[in-house]
Amino acid sequence: GAVVSQHPSWVICKSGTSVKIECRSLDFQATTMFWYRQFPKQSLMLMATSNEGSKATYEQGVEKDKFLINHASLTLSTLTVTSAHPEDSSFYICSVKDLRNLGDTQYFGPGTRLTVL
Amino acid sequence: SQQGEEDPQALSIQEGENATMNCSYKTSINNLQWYRQNSGRGLVHLILIRSNEREKHSGRLRVTLDTSKKSSSLLITASRAADTASYFCATVPMNSGGYQKVTFGTGTKLQVIP
Repeated sequence: GAVVSQHPSWVICKSGTSVKIECRSLDFQATTMFWYRQFPKQSLMLMATSNEGSKATYEQGVEKDKFLINHASLTLSTLTVTSAHPEDSSFYICSVKDLRNLGDTQYFGPGTRLTVL
Repeated sequence: SQQGEEDPQALSIQEGENATMNCSYKTSINNLQWYRQNSGRGLVHLILIRSNEREKHSGRLRVTLDTSKKSSSLLITASRAADTASYFCATVPMNSGGYQKVTFGTGTKLQVIP
């Protein structure tokens, strides 16, 4: 399967600052990337779907101006949490998919743990 | 919502025993997948079963799917301490188009005691 990395693996920041999380597909051309959020002891909730070179599609209830997603290439997508607040503290996970192969499997990154003080 | 529900929420067994987790979902699906997540880590894809399949095996894993009951089960045989993790079912709805968005269930936390 594809190898997906995320950077950083964990980050602690002050309230009000912005944090950028990178998701890289190391050996796979990811036409589509998904961003998920997972609160402690809960399941993953899809935040947005991004396609290379176009605007992301956000799920209901997810503020697009707060969670900025950029999918500039087939190997890199970034999620920026703007003006982070303690309630944004969560585990953020990306996954990648190659729609050209119409494969069903998504490949997940190792996740980024964000703690906002 | 489409989010699946899994039961039990938590399961504790002795090493060597079998572990069974169940997943129920609400709408018609294209396929159902099971994932494993070690604490604080990313997800590992275990197995995918399509809507026209009833049972699938992969090593010590056995997955069943009953589309009439909108339910699936994951059986791990001869469990090992290393199987300790959270297990999630995930569904891809029918007619979800090219994106094939995956919706995750609530998860079962499995503890295998050595």
